[in-house]
Amino acid sequence: QKEVEQDPGPLSVPEGAIVSLNCTYSNSAFQYFMWYRQYSRKGPELLMYTYSSGNKEDGRFTAQVDKSSKYISLFIRDSQPSDSATYLCAMSASNAGKSTFGDGTTLTVKP
Amino acid sequence: NAGVTQTPKFRVLKTGQSMTLLCAQDMNHEYMYWYRQDPGMGLRLIHYSVGEGTTAKGEVPDGYNVSRLKKQNFLLGLESAAPSQTSVYFCASSQRGGSKKGELFFGEGSRLTVL
Repeated sequence: QKEVEQDPGPLSVPEGAIVSLNCTYSNSAFQYFMWYRQYSRKGPELLMYTYSSGNKEDGRFTAQVDKSSKYISLFIRDSQPSDSATYLCAMSASNAGKSTFGDGTTLTVKP
Repeated sequence: NAGVTQTPKFRVLKTGQSMTLLCAQDMNHEYMYWYRQDPGMGLRLIHYSVGEGTTAKGEVPDGYNVSRLKKQNFLLGLESAAPSQTSVYFCASSQRGGSKKGELFFGEGSRLTVL
């Protein structure tokens, strides 16, 4: 069993929809939780960062971490065609940055 | 702002050939990593380094070697390429500490095909 499981895609939604992306994990030592966005043929870029449990909001994006359930989510409100990308969850147990990634979910937002 | 630069961006090899991928970062980061990305399998860590002169194995190290002779450079070597090593390789770096501990900065990737 993988340490990090990410809801598989692909996911296709109309513009303006609310998108929910989810990951579960098994390693209770994880305390740094990240979402990366990867456009086609580009490297991943950090989108959201959360330490320990709780919610974090940045514009149209909200990241949630529930350590008791070992479950993290990324919500995208008022989705835009420019949000079309692959979203990768990542987790780390220490600040050395040795992150474990989910397999990614490819999102397409149709105009 | 160059960030993380990978060379080459594309390469085609024949089985058994050797090659080296070069990663350079200009952010003075302590930590550097090599990941591979395959369809449907996310990013898997090959090797990483926590400082100049140090390297360690990641999740999928077999068939690869690395060196970190200078803080800003991290080299990934394939001594005898195999078709199973066809993949997109990403180099990343991160700083020790900071407000977002563990945040990875990625290069744009190197696409390797082994025939």
